[in-house]
Amino acid sequence: DAKTTQPPSMDCAEGRAANLPCNHSTISGNEYVYWYRQIHSQGPQYIIHGLKNNETNEMASLIITEDRKSSTLILPHATLRDTAVYYCIVSPPDNAGNMLTFGGGTRLMVKP
Amino acid sequence: DTGVSQDPRHKITKRGQNVTFRCDPISEHNRLYWYRQTLGQGPEFLTYFQNEAQLEKSRLLSDRFSAERPKGSFSTLEIQRTEQGDSAMYLCASTPVLTNTEAFFGQGTRLTVV
Repeated sequence: DAKTTQPPSMDCAEGRAANLPCNHSTISGNEYVYWYRQIHSQGPQYIIHGLKNNETNEMASLIITEDRKSSTLILPHATLRDTAVYYCIVSPPDNAGNMLTFGGGTRLMVKP
Repeated sequence: DTGVSQDPRHKITKRGQNVTFRCDPISEHNRLYWYRQTLGQGPEFLTYFQNEAQLEKSRLLSDRFSAERPKGSFSTLEIQRTEQGDSAMYLCASTPVLTNTEAFFGQGTRLTVV
């Protein structure tokens, strides 16, 4: 079962920052937080992952709270092409098989 | 390399027929995964291979399902005696052999059983 809780849907205005929250209150040890997104009729796409520190790449920023019980994915300037389902996934450090356990995700709608 | 490719993209079959899907992973990736996704749900893990060895299978993978990766390159997923409940998107992904690394997904094969 997924160890994360996300709001089922969110709206964001084009050009504004989209802040997608994720609760992982039962996160333990050195479990990683991953974010993927899935645009309609496509396979999931990796966005970013982190352990304890905040992370940034060309797509997004990941803010993890100090107690690691929640995180926020930030898309700094959302575009219409960012409309997708966003999945937050907690993955254990011994996940040598790299299997992913997806939850229901957040459906982000970017509006003009 | 153009990423993970899956064939066909869409398949409509009659109940009781057998179907086979193919996945070509990124060439240097040793690991290959199959996931299933039903409408409105997130993908669910089915099975994965490291090279030609099938290392893990989910309990979702009933005995009507079989997956192979004979030469450690492409993989096939066969469903025998299809049922309407098998209608779903079947996704393939690949990764290198590293713990906690990103997965690259294909576009999926959408199966409709009528």
